Amino acid sequence: QKEVEQDPGPLSVPEGAIVSLNCTYSNSAFQYFMWYRQYSRKGPELLMYTYSSGNKEDGRFTAQVDKSSKYISLFIRDSQPSDSATYLCAFYYSSASKIIFGSGTRLSIRP
Amino acid sequence: DARVTQTPRHKVTEMGQEVTMRCQPILGHNTVFWYRQTMMQGLELLAYFRNRAPLDDSGMPKDRFSAEMPDATLATLKIQPSEPRDSAVYFCASGLTSRGGGNQPQHFGDGTRLSIL
Repeated sequence: QKEVEQDPGPLSVPEGAIVSLNCTYSNSAFQYFMWYRQYSRKGPELLMYTYSSGNKEDGRFTAQVDKSSKYISLFIRDSQPSDSATYLCAFYYSSASKIIFGSGTRLSIRP
Repeated sequence: DARVTQTPRHKVTEMGQEVTMRCQPILGHNTVFWYRQTMMQGLELLAYFRNRAPLDDSGMPKDRFSAEMPDATLATLKIQPSEPRDSAVYFCASGLTSRGGGNQPQHFGDGTRLSIL
């Protein structure tokens, strides 16, 4: 079983829709949960960062962590064409120092 | 806005040639990471440094790849000799690790797009 599973997509939704992106993980030692956004020909940029179960909201973005199910989600409300990118979930625990990335989900928002 | 800077942005060369990629981490960051990204494998960690000391390079083919940090403002990744299968985008990222071991998230550069013919 892979340590992190993420559906690669592509996912195409109309502008204004709510988008749900998900990852599952198997390592219960993970303490920190992140979402990165990567535009074409750019490096990944940190979008959301949390270390606890529950929801964290930032503008149109909500990160959700369910440690009991080993499942994290990123919700995008009122999606815009500018949200079209690849979204990578990422995990780490402090003693490991290195981040484990999902393979990324390619998202396209249709105008 | 502080950024990780990578050079060159693009590199095309023939197999067998030496390739050197450079990275300037964000000032004050003490941890530097090198990643390779391909469609098939996604983001793979090649090596990382903390306070300029190599901590883990297990993801790197040792026979042809080498990573160094000559000083706190420069990290290099070299491939010698290069092969077509090395074609990928190479990213550098930097972060801050506290003395207690707590990590701040990594910040990425825009990568070097490498093509080996």
